[in-house]
Amino acid sequence: SQELEQSPQSLIVQEGKNLTINCTSSKTLYGLYWYKQKYGEGLIFLMMLQKGGEEKSHEKITAKLDEKKQQSSLHITASQPSHAGIYLCGADKPSGTYKYIFGTGTRLKVLA
Amino acid sequence: GAVVSQHPSWVICKSGTSVKIECRSLDFQATTMFWYRQFPKQSLMLMATSNEGSKATYEQGVEKDKFLINHASLTLSTLTVTSAHPEDSSFYICSAPRGREQYFGPGTRLTVT
Repeated sequence: SQELEQSPQSLIVQEGKNLTINCTSSKTLYGLYWYKQKYGEGLIFLMMLQKGGEEKSHEKITAKLDEKKQQSSLHITASQPSHAGIYLCGADKPSGTYKYIFGTGTRLKVLA
Repeated sequence: GAVVSQHPSWVICKSGTSVKIECRSLDFQATTMFWYRQFPKQSLMLMATSNEGSKATYEQGVEKDKFLINHASLTLSTLTVTSAHPEDSSFYICSAPRGREQYFGPGTRLTVT
């Protein structure tokens, strides 16, 4: 089964600092999704990446997909306390039931 | 956009009782739905794939008799936690695919006392 490993596992940064979260797959990535969540709450969809080299931005968050490395990175510029939460990458299989799995998660805390 | 609902959003039950959680796709049909479980400070773990008209497919390590899944219709899947124990306390989320997109329910927080 495909595994998605995220790093770092947790992160504490000072407000205004930039940060990067990585998501590495043990198998070929056909689509990679990024979500933000707080435990006990629903998922907030951030963005979806489908092609190698694709890069997308949403406000101060940018994500990139490196198909060769089977990896995606999420970069937050000038972090704010509102960015705090759990960041999850997700991926599906290329066909069939589109079984969907999540990465191990990265807990982000931003200090004001 | 597509919407998936879950009911209840929050439930407390006594140890030994069973709890049913519903997952509905509100404006589209879903022959497949997925159930996830999340512990505090951890990621979401896929528990099982709910299949309309056939048995659910469970991930390794998930007890079938403990977590009963029924895909009653093209818009409804239910997860029943049987003989619940405190260690079953968790956050449960369902999702339904529409094309290549996954739509997630808001989750159900289960507390077993």
